[in-house]
Amino acid sequence: SYELTQPPSVSVSPGQTARITCSGDALPKQYAYWYQQKAGQAPVLLIFKDTERPSGVPERFSGSGSGTIVTLTISGVQAEDEADYYCQSADSTGTHRVFGGGTKLTVL
Amino acid sequence: EVRLVQSGAEVKQPGESLKISCKASGYSFTNFWIGWVRQKPGQGLEWMGTIYPGDSNSRYSPSFASQVTISSDKFTTTAYLQWDSLEASDTAMYYCARGNVTLAGADYWGQGTLITVSP
Repeated sequence: SYELTQPPSVSVSPGQTARITCSGDALPKQYAYWYQQKAGQAPVLLIFKDTERPSGVPERFSGSGSGTIVTLTISGVQAEDEADYYCQSADSTGTHRVFGGGTKLTVL
Repeated sequence: EVRLVQSGAEVKQPGESLKISCKASGYSFTNFWIGWVRQKPGQGLEWMGTIYPGDSNSRYSPSFASQVTISSDKFTTTAYLQWDSLEASDTAMYYCARGNVTLAGADYWGQGTLITVSP
């Protein structure tokens, strides 16, 4: 079955830039989505269609992609950004949706 | 305002059946899909399946096919997730989520329903 691969953890100091990658063979064909999940809360959509940001999401969150890798970039990380981040996409046929394993962002 | 309101937490015994719900409001129910996502304690998100309320067509991720049933009622704008026989391994938080029929991602999420299966 199709898989998306994320690093388990990323650590940055406040004000620095955090980059979280997600790799998958079908990413050149299928859009990627990014979600933030804080402890005890439901996930929240951060990025859709690889690079677009829903209204209300701070501009410091951005998405990019190159080939089989997409990246969530958080510029000027704040303490409140400490959370789990998940990428999500679909297999090459678009039939089955799948999440990456998640990345825990720690703000030092 | 788009809202997805899920039914409350449940404590069940192995072998019991269960049906949980996701009540949608604030948008045209039949123009968006509803997906169900499992999150086991301390683990990541898993996509279980998706239903398209416009035609009630459902698709299941391979790991969940034959394990659960996803349904919807367009008259009550409610989606459902059901089990015929629960197992301890079904203990998890379950989320419903909504998305545009042309896209794979979810823009609104329910608050989650915690299911505990224990003898």
